[in-house]
Amino acid sequence: DAGITQSPRHKVTETGTPVTLRCHQTENHRYMYWYRQDPGHGLRLIHYSYGVKDTDKGEVSDGYSVSRSKTEDFLLTLESATSSQTSVYFCAIRPTGKATEAFFGQGTRLTVV
Amino acid sequence: TQLLEQSPQFLSIQEGENLTVYCNSSSVFSSLQWYRQEPGEGPVLLVTVVTGGEVKKLKRLTFQFGDARKDSSLHITAAQPGDTGLYLCAGAGAGGTSYGKLTFGQGTILTVHP
Repeated sequence: DAGITQSPRHKVTETGTPVTLRCHQTENHRYMYWYRQDPGHGLRLIHYSYGVKDTDKGEVSDGYSVSRSKTEDFLLTLESATSSQTSVYFCAIRPTGKATEAFFGQGTRLTVV
Repeated sequence: TQLLEQSPQFLSIQEGENLTVYCNSSSVFSSLQWYRQEPGEGPVLLVTVVTGGEVKKLKRLTFQFGDARKDSSLHITAAQPGDTGLYLCAGAGAGGTSYGKLTFGQGTILTVHP
């Protein structure tokens, strides 16, 4: 158990509204990631963080922003939700000393109507 | 951009059969991982292979990393209904701006019928 909690687990929102998803970890890992999972696409990296206030874009970052003001929390914000952002969102951490292995939260299912 | 092609996308077999899932790329990866995911849950790491040609076994599952570190395979012997799930391969970038980032294949949905 990597101590990762995502909230909310499910959310339905309307097009054009802002939405924030939260990822909380309990083990002070430096690296945190946000992925989205869609059928036929596997998981695609949205944004990642390598420390407090240190973030960078992934391959599908358009329409998303992130913030990390504390080691334990990594927030993903959809500034103005669109139907194309309906997806399952996963947060992941990379343990210190593990160059490539990732451990995932349980996911947030977001539906934009 | 690094791409991983995973095949097949769907696999439906009977209990006791063997199967192989493939993960191929034109890019070199520093390591490759296999994950298993069940409905409503996040992916769970099964194994990491690091060295070209490496073979790792996990009970009935055999994982192989290609000599050139561009491809990998997962072989399951005598599949059981409990093996049912989504299997994902993921490659870690070999260097530069790709370091540490994971590129995922599209996934293979495996269904094992009793």
